[in-house]
Amino acid sequence: EDQVTQSPEALRLQEGESSSLNCSYTVSGLRGLFWYRQDPGKGPEFLFTLYSAGEEKEKERLKATLTKKESFLHITAPKPEDSATYLCAVPTGGFKTIFGAGTRLFVKA
Amino acid sequence: KAGVTQTPRYLIKTRGQQVTLSCSPISGHRSVSWYQQTPGQGLQFLFEYFSETQRNKGNFPGRFSGRQFSNSRSEMNVSTLELGDSALYLCASSLAPTGGGETQYFGPGTRLLVL
Repeated sequence: EDQVTQSPEALRLQEGESSSLNCSYTVSGLRGLFWYRQDPGKGPEFLFTLYSAGEEKEKERLKATLTKKESFLHITAPKPEDSATYLCAVPTGGFKTIFGAGTRLFVKA
Repeated sequence: KAGVTQTPRYLIKTRGQQVTLSCSPISGHRSVSWYQQTPGQGLQFLFEYFSETQRNKGNFPGRFSGRQFSNSRSEMNVSTLELGDSALYLCASSLAPTGGGETQYFGPGTRLLVL
């Protein structure tokens, strides 16, 4: 069964304290993995798409990496404005994309 | 380029009523997907439309339906509303069907409260 699991559910960091979020997936034939950021009450905002194992993408303090079974979102020296829920998603190939439950990130000044 | 727009942004309805939500995709995008988001269940796939045809449907009752018009705009309808239908309804658009790895871009959502 196609599945996407994110960990941890919540992560509390001090400003400047780097860490990583995990997204593990089970899908037959990876067609891409997406990362989104969602602020409370708003729609998810697209961050990255990764298509093959070994691929990496960066944007400001965020860096996404992909292996054959999981993806990591590394946050370097986070700031309070990085506080949000981070979602990962995987297309299943049948006109459907499944989302993980998300990791809620809190960054304290 | 304008993003995905959804109307209305907020709705309050009572049990038993029906509701129609609207989504206008990014210009040139032909695929529209709908999701329900609740605190307990996260983002749940409702359905995806491409070229005016429903391509896939999630595990929701028949009270949830949708359609897509020739200009790619989409509507979803929920009939006989229940308290559990209270949620944030999100629309996302993409150039092509998402199952092949196309990036989806989300609208701001419609917050539905059923009393």
